[in-house]
Formats: sequence, structure tokens, C-alpha cells
Amino acid sequence: AQTVTQSQPEMSVQEAETVTLSCTYDTSESDYYLFWYKQPPSRQMILVIRQEAYKQQNATENRFSVNFQKAAKSFSLKISDSQLGDAAMYFCAYRVPNNDMRFGAGTRLTVKP
Amino acid sequence: DADVTQTPRNRITKTGKRIMLECSQTKGHDRMYWYRQDPGLGLRLIYYSFDVKDINKGEISDGYSVSRQAQAKFSLSLESAIPNQTALYFCATSDFNRDPTDTQYFGPGTRLTVL
Repeated sequence: AQTVTQSQPEMSVQEAETVTLSCTYDTSESDYYLFWYKQPPSRQMILVIRQEAYKQQNATENRFSVNFQKAAKSFSLKISDSQLGDAAMYFCAYRVPNNDMRFGAGTRLTVKP
Repeated sequence: DADVTQTPRNRITKTGKRIMLECSQTKGHDRMYWYRQDPGLGLRLIYYSFDVKDINKGEISDGYSVSRQAQAKFSLSLESAIPNQTALYFCATSDFNRDPTDTQYFGPGTRLTVL
């Protein structure tokens, strides 16, 4: 079974600084997708960024970027110029086409002013 | 995402009661999902539906049932609620026909407490 591991239950960052959240996954598949979702205190699950495994180029969305290392099965999220509004739970997720999505347990990010 | 709505947003019930959680979407997506979220465990899939006539069990379907009344509606039922079903429940949708990544978009969640 595919599993997703987020080894950092909690992280903190100073406002305007950069932070990296870790995610590793276990799979024997070659075709899959990876996602990062954000869950602020409002509890809404919000898509942050996604990556297709067949693409070598790392995805970027404004201040959010990923470091996708397929051989190492690693998919970390980098948040640059952290803002107070970035404070949330962050979930890494993995999905094989036409199959269910597996989530990690989450990392709680605190942003200090 | 306002295009995916869940009712009720909060519910407190008693052990043994039948509960239905409803999900509606205006996104025109073909696929719909129900998850539960427990502290420290992330989200786990209960049931999913790739179209109106296709219903599939997820990782933790025991104690739950679903109904896909239309493309836009997907309901989750707890036939006889028990306290360990206390959790945050999310509905999600995706559009595999137009998005090969099949990215899922979530509703606002329903917090269910079973006493």
C-alpha cells in the first residue's frame, strides 16, 4: 500500500523568512501525482501546489515551490517570504491515476511576527 | 471552495441515531468523494464515486453508506452512529475528463460529534 510520511508534526518560521516542509512517499508506481494542501483554522482544505511525476521540472506557484526528487521519493514544499496568513496545517498527498488519494498526517506551520 | 457545499456544517447527535451528511457541487465535476479527518491521522477516504452509477469503497467504509442521487449530489449516511465516528467530514470533487491530474477540490467540512 502506498503511504505518505510527513516527518515534521510542527514547524515554525519567522515572518518574511523561508521554510521547507518535508514529505516522503512509498510507491512502486511510475505514473502518479503529488499535491500539497493547506488547512487554515477555517478548516477549509485548499490546494497549494501539484506535481506530475513524469515532469522533471519542479512546480512553482508564486511563493510556493516544490523540490521533487523522484528517485528518493521525496516531495518537499518551500514557502518563501512567509506571511502570517501562511499559518496552517499542511498536508502532502499522493495519487495514482484512477485510484484513491493518500494523505500524510500533516505539519502544523506557525508563523512568528 | 464555494462551488462545493456541505450540509450541515456542524452536528451533534446521540449514539444509535441515523445521520445523513449532504454534499452538492456546481462545478460540473464527474467524481465525488467522502473523507473523514481525525487529529494526527490526516484525511482518510470513506467512499468515492466516479459517476452516478459507480460507487466504490474507500479505506474506511465500515459503518457508512453513500448515495449518488445525481451528478451534483453525493450523500454520506451513518446508519447507527457511534462515538468513534466523531470527526470532521469532507466532501471533495474532481474532473478527470478535463484535468488529467484529477485534482480534488474540497467542501468546507462538517464537524460531527456523536455523544
